[in-house]
Amino acid sequence: SQQGEEDPQALSIQEGENATMNCSYKTSINNLQWYRQNSGRGLVHLILIRSNEREKHSGRLRVTLDTSKKSSSLLITASRAADTASYFCATDEAGTALIFGKGTTLSVSS
Amino acid sequence: GAVVSQHPSWVICKSGTSVKIECRSLDFQATTMFWYRQFPKQSLMLMATSNEGSKATYEQGVEKDKFLINHASLTLSTLTVTSAHPEDSSFYICSASDVLGPRGEKLFFGSGTQLSVL
Repeated sequence: SQQGEEDPQALSIQEGENATMNCSYKTSINNLQWYRQNSGRGLVHLILIRSNEREKHSGRLRVTLDTSKKSSSLLITASRAADTASYFCATDEAGTALIFGKGTTLSVSS
Repeated sequence: GAVVSQHPSWVICKSGTSVKIECRSLDFQATTMFWYRQFPKQSLMLMATSNEGSKATYEQGVEKDKFLINHASLTLSTLTVTSAHPEDSSFYICSASDVLGPRGEKLFFGSGTQLSVL
């Protein structure tokens, strides 16, 4: 089953630009997490935001959560070529397993 | 941070053979482990949830007789793909839940196993 839906599916930007990805989900959550996956490799946990939080920062990452709209956004500022990857949001279902969205493929060119 | 070791990283096998994938939590106890499958350019799909000492819970559409999951200890879960066929070729990732962490928050992922069935 999939809970989150990201958009855009693909995003191409130049180095130094900001990248914004959005995620929508369907049911109530305890938290929402964002992950990065480089091609053919494992997941890297980026950030977790709880349902009672509205915004969170970590380095060049900024995540927002709007529980009334059941949506979240991930902003990567001053993007670098190394940020090229697929990004997934994931929500907890029944407080245990993470259910992943379809993902956004980000391509940053130098 | 906590480490989940998954191996093998990749495996190539002939159609009809069985393949076992191991997922170990190295420095924490995991009462619950999860198995995901990811086809190329797609998202991770939850296959099953395994709890130490009990039968795994499979998601709808996942054949429990084909994907055997064993969670015999608090640090080890295995996924066996039985009688593998080319359509089983996929990237399989496990994750483990730290018993000491808030539910749904302390999940750690293995590095994944790329299975190719010829």
